[in-house]
Amino acid sequence: DAKTTQPTSMDCAEGRAANLPCNHSTISGNEYVYWYRQIHSQGPQYIIHGLKNNETNEMASLIITEDRKSSTLILPHATLRDTAVYYCIVRGNAGNMLTFGGGTRLMVKP
Amino acid sequence: GAGVSQSPSNKVTEKGKDVELRCDPISGHTALYWYRQRLGQGLEFLIYFQGNSAPDKSGLPSDRFSAERTGESVSTLTIQRTQQEDSAVYLCASTHSWGEDYGYTFGSGTRLTVV
Repeated sequence: DAKTTQPTSMDCAEGRAANLPCNHSTISGNEYVYWYRQIHSQGPQYIIHGLKNNETNEMASLIITEDRKSSTLILPHATLRDTAVYYCIVRGNAGNMLTFGGGTRLMVKP
Repeated sequence: GAGVSQSPSNKVTEKGKDVELRCDPISGHTALYWYRQRLGQGLEFLIYFQGNSAPDKSGLPSDRFSAERTGESVSTLTIQRTQQEDSAVYLCASTHSWGEDYGYTFGSGTRLTVV
């Protein structure tokens, strides 16, 4: 599965949008982009995933560039509870192993 | 159940003892994964079960580590002759494995402390 690159850490003001970037320049045509987050002392939590089109759910939006080499996770109105490590992962077939990198540590500040 | 259940939630054991950790995946999920997370570090893949196929054991750090899965249900991770460096949170996850899936569901983990 393709490797991803994310910033180590980011800050965001409470109530503002948090935009978390991810580069995946070696992504192949059948690979999905997944986002997870891990809040302190909890197991990782699935947020959203996409293939080509932008996706939105109750938690976040996922914007994937046309060439699919990068994506951005958007938390539209960040709260203190969104403070977590956010992982961007690229994966092919369902059931394949997810490889977690270092992720981005998002700190939402009042 | 509705989620992935792991037990025990916490385990303190003496160095050299064997421990067994349990994972109950979501019913119907054919794929099951074990990860380890040391304090302040990322998730480290250990082992992966996919239906009736032979498990992918490529992440097991030593022969002291083993895991079994009964059909498509419960899995146990066994660590023999525990060492202090085995102290970590052990996380289990499950998913279905056909077509597009909606991500792993993780359990809350077992925090293992070897003293």
